[in-house]
Amino acid sequence: NAGVMQNPRHLVRRRGQEARLRCSPMKGHSHVYWYRQLPEEGLKFMVYLQKENIIDESGMPKERFSAEFPKEGPSILRIQQVVRGDSAAYFCASSPGKTYYEQYFGPGTRLTVT
Amino acid sequence: AQSVTQLDSQVPVFEEAPVELRCNYSSSVSVYLFWYVQYPNQGLQLLLKYLSGSTLVKGINGFEAEFNKSQTSFHLRKPSVHISDTAEYFCAARNNFGNEKLTFGTGTRLTIIP
Repeated sequence: NAGVMQNPRHLVRRRGQEARLRCSPMKGHSHVYWYRQLPEEGLKFMVYLQKENIIDESGMPKERFSAEFPKEGPSILRIQQVVRGDSAAYFCASSPGKTYYEQYFGPGTRLTVT
Repeated sequence: AQSVTQLDSQVPVFEEAPVELRCNYSSSVSVYLFWYVQYPNQGLQLLLKYLSGSTLVKGINGFEAEFNKSQTSFHLRKPSVHISDTAEYFCAARNNFGNEKLTFGTGTRLTIIP
């Protein structure tokens, strides 16, 4: 059973460009979570999605950031007009459902904004 | 709302010596507690979790943790460390109902000295 997959693993963008980060949850998992890890900091929750629904986006910046988890295909975290402060590692996690306690993490996408 | 505090940002330990990584939490409701390990340039792997019941929890790779409700602590221990334990360790908490997002500490970098 393949784990949580994220791509790309590394992404370099110039200021003002768009970044698209993709996350494929483990097989059978319908819940996806995105976290951001800034340098020298712990992971901070961004958004929690189920198929076609955003359940909790309390950690998402109000502007430029959006997330989706369509019926088919991976979850996408989209950052428009990136700035240097967006440089971080973005981790996706998945779980089978609400009563399941563990979240399984992907390897992360390291975004560098130049 | 919860918060998780890992007071030690770096812990150097000689190989085969014991180690304790400290974690304290604050929450107005009951929580589930987790320890994750992150090896360089990889995602997070679950070491162990406390949900309920016995306060001493055993995990993978010889690690264990003890939940202490009165001291609101969940310290991670290993009686004898190996070079391969060199990694970043994160303590995390979530509500035991409803919202599933994890709140992480800032991490402790464990360095094993040969």
